[in-house]
Amino acid sequence: SQTIHQWPATLVQPVGSPLSLECTVEGTSNPNLYWYRQAAGRGLQLLFYSVGIGQISSEVPQNLSASRPQDRQFILSSKKLLLSDSGFYLCAWSKGGGRTDTQYFGPGTRLTVL
Amino acid sequence: KNQVEQSPQSLIILEGKNCTLQCNYTVSPFSNLRWYKQDTGRGPVSLTIMTFSENTKSNGRYTATLDADTKQSSLHITASQLSDSASYICVVTTGFQKLVFGTGTRLLVSP
Repeated sequence: SQTIHQWPATLVQPVGSPLSLECTVEGTSNPNLYWYRQAAGRGLQLLFYSVGIGQISSEVPQNLSASRPQDRQFILSSKKLLLSDSGFYLCAWSKGGGRTDTQYFGPGTRLTVL
Repeated sequence: KNQVEQSPQSLIILEGKNCTLQCNYTVSPFSNLRWYKQDTGRGPVSLTIMTFSENTKSNGRYTATLDADTKQSSLHITASQLSDSASYICVVTTGFQKLVFGTGTRLLVSP
């Protein structure tokens, strides 16, 4: 069976500090991978998606970046965090590009920028 | 502009009662509609998915309906349980894996 891991589970960082969130998927190969942010009282916002190693598409311009160094590893980074970066970050995977493919979400990382 | 609106924002019901959550969308072209359940502090979990030709889909005590003409969907929960307390998110897909998320309905089932 497939599982998706995210860490850390919670993170408190000062403004201007760097960020690195990691997501890994087990039990499948060549998945589509996604990073979402969920701000308090807001819907999920797609930040990045990747259909393969080194292939990253950005949905929203911001001070965040994503990388996919391995097939089942997806990393979300920032060089300098802003207060507005606080939120619940979710990684997700899907099997492919079919219109009915379901996305499976990880447990999330709660980021607080102070 | 592609939008998904959900109502009510929050809902409190007694354990054992039924409830219905609403989702209206203005997404074009439409591909499919999903309902997700998100427990507090956890990632969303898929409940149902419906394409254009499907009017209803059930998953245990959860039944989703879709009216593609009026661009409305509903999620009906039967005989609610305390574990149903969560946020329920309506998600519409347009194009290749382009998802439009609703802000969710927060449901609290009270004993």
